[in-house]
Amino acid sequence: GQQLNQSPQSMFIQEGEDVSMNCTSSSIFNTWLWYKQDPGEGPVLLIALYKAGELTSNGRLTAQFGITRKDSFLNISASIPSDVGIYFCAGLDRTYKYIFGTGTRLKVLA
Amino acid sequence: DGGITQSPKYLFRKEGQNVTLSCEQNLNHDAMYWYRQDPGQGLRLIYYSQIVNDFQKGDIAEGYSVSREKKESFPLTVTSAQKNPTAFYLCASTQWDGHSGANVLTFGAGSRLTVL
Repeated sequence: GQQLNQSPQSMFIQEGEDVSMNCTSSSIFNTWLWYKQDPGEGPVLLIALYKAGELTSNGRLTAQFGITRKDSFLNISASIPSDVGIYFCAGLDRTYKYIFGTGTRLKVLA
Repeated sequence: DGGITQSPKYLFRKEGQNVTLSCEQNLNHDAMYWYRQDPGQGLRLIYYSQIVNDFQKGDIAEGYSVSREKKESFPLTVTSAQKNPTAFYLCASTQWDGHSGANVLTFGAGSRLTVL
């Protein structure tokens, strides 16, 4: 099955640093979603994007829906230790299936 | 509070046994999904259902079965035909409409199945 290319796969950063991750696809999506998953739990929605070019913020998080509709990025500003976890992107295709990225594992060093 | 309830949280199974994972939602969502997650990997779609009494195979349906007799419930059975069933299973749901917040997939807390 299709999975989105998500990068980086993992990253260690210092507390207070900004973080950037992105997803790319060979297919066009009408909706992009970004989730965070803590160990042993289900993913929790961070940001939803519905229009090409849309830039949306949620606190320290900012995400953009790429103009080509084939990519999206997520930025986290001024990271804190509780930002640690796995971040997933997901795109909604025309058959109403959600395609997920492989995840970015974030570790924040205090 | 509305949400998705998965049970059990942890389940152990002997080889050759079928097990059923429960998923119940009180969000009045039409569509429901089952995903499998293996360590260090993303989510892979097992089955999904857009409406009651209808469901479709996802990318890795072999060895699994589902039913959708009620809007609120979408149980997943892991059969003995599934060769490597040890994994974390996630149920999710969504509602299709034109309002803000539509098309957002809401997840349960997951069920971890271990085959002994």
